[in-house]
Amino acid sequence: QKEVEQNSGPLSVPEGAIASLNCTYSDRVSQSFFWYRQYSGKSPELIMSIYSNGDKEDGRFTAQLNKASQYVSLLIRDSQPSDSATYLCAVKNSGGYQKVTFGTGTKLQVIP
Amino acid sequence: GAGVSQSPSNKVTEKGKDVELRCDPISGHTALYWYRQRLGQGLEFLIYFQGNSAPDKSGLPSDRFSAERTGESVSTLTIQRTQQEDSAVYLCASSLRGTGIGNTEAFFGQGTRLTVV
Repeated sequence: QKEVEQNSGPLSVPEGAIASLNCTYSDRVSQSFFWYRQYSGKSPELIMSIYSNGDKEDGRFTAQLNKASQYVSLLIRDSQPSDSATYLCAVKNSGGYQKVTFGTGTKLQVIP
Repeated sequence: GAGVSQSPSNKVTEKGKDVELRCDPISGHTALYWYRQRLGQGLEFLIYFQGNSAPDKSGLPSDRFSAERTGESVSTLTIQRTQQEDSAVYLCASSLRGTGIGNTEAFFGQGTRLTVV
């Protein structure tokens, strides 16, 4: 089992719809969770971080964390063509190394 | 500088040559990561440095790949006897270690695009 798993997509949604991106992780005691956005040809950039169970909202973005299910998701409301990118889930492991592990990303396409 | 700096931004090399890629992390960041990203693919973890601890080298694909870091500053990734399959973007990221939660996100450099011809 991979440490951080994401569906590679592409996930296609119409403009204005809600895009839902999902991620599961294997380290049960992970504490910190991140969503990064990567445009084609660019480096990943952090868009959301979440540390506690429940929802965290920032503008059109909502991160959701369920530690019991080892599941973290990102919702993008009112999707725009400019949201088309690859979204990477990242998890900071527990233990001495405190390493951040990335999933392989989900490609999102917002259709005008 | 304010961000993670990588050099060179582009490198074209002949098959069989050695290359050295450089990463300057954000000042004060004890953690440093190297990733490889082939065209259209996800991030492939290579190596992780955390302060003075032994690095996590579990992602290095072969003994042609090595990396060093002096203290908590600059890191170099060396690829010996380059092969065409080494062509990719090599990304460096740094973060605070953080014994708890918060302020531990990784920040990425702009990458080095390596082309082996």
